[in-house]
Amino acid sequence: GAVVSQHPSRVICKSGTSVKIECRSLDFQATTMFWYRQFPKQSLMLMATSNEGSKATYEQGVEKDKFLINHASLTLSTLTVTSAHPEDSSFYICSARRGAASTDTQYFGPGTRLTVL
Amino acid sequence: QQQVKQSPQSLIVQKGGISIINCAYENTAFDYFPWYQQFPGKGPALLIAIRPDVSEKKEGRFTISFNKSAKQFSLHIMDSQPGDSATYFCAASMGGQAGNKLVFGAGTILRVKS
Repeated sequence: GAVVSQHPSRVICKSGTSVKIECRSLDFQATTMFWYRQFPKQSLMLMATSNEGSKATYEQGVEKDKFLINHASLTLSTLTVTSAHPEDSSFYICSARRGAASTDTQYFGPGTRLTVL
Repeated sequence: QQQVKQSPQSLIVQKGGISIINCAYENTAFDYFPWYQQFPGKGPALLIAIRPDVSEKKEGRFTISFNKSAKQFSLHIMDSQPGDSATYFCAASMGGQAGNKLVFGAGTILRVKS
């Protein structure tokens, strides 16, 4: 159990276009979903925390108008990278947590590799 | 205070040996300490986790040792295998206003030589 999927797994786009990444919890309802980005050989950097039905909470330095997050249901969150530029190229990973406690496990998706040309 | 410091940055171990990765934290409000394993191009997968009221937790070949007074915890991989070659991240989280977010260490690249 506790499977999280992401779609697409890989996307290449032209500079200036927008890209949407989906994150789904397949076998549980996620009260909270998180979005991370990871550069090569680096750790995960939290971008935002998303609760179903409410606005996402963005980490300091993350532009909320550039990285739009929608958490429409307890099993789906989307990240839209608007007007993407080459510096947005990265590995984007979502995670989902079943409960609200800090001790509840975060289950990670397989990641989405974004390349902006 | 929100940081989790992880060492070493990389580690090479012979097959059958013990791999040890260490993490340290400052904030005593952290109440959950998971370890994640990540293979190249994949998302992290939970390996094992511990709470601060327990000094050790073992699951198969993986053991977490937790030293609350020293604010340190470590992952031991017994009988290390080439298939264990991956990047390992320690993490910590706390509730309350921190929003139950995970704070990750920098990661350790483990290579097990056959």
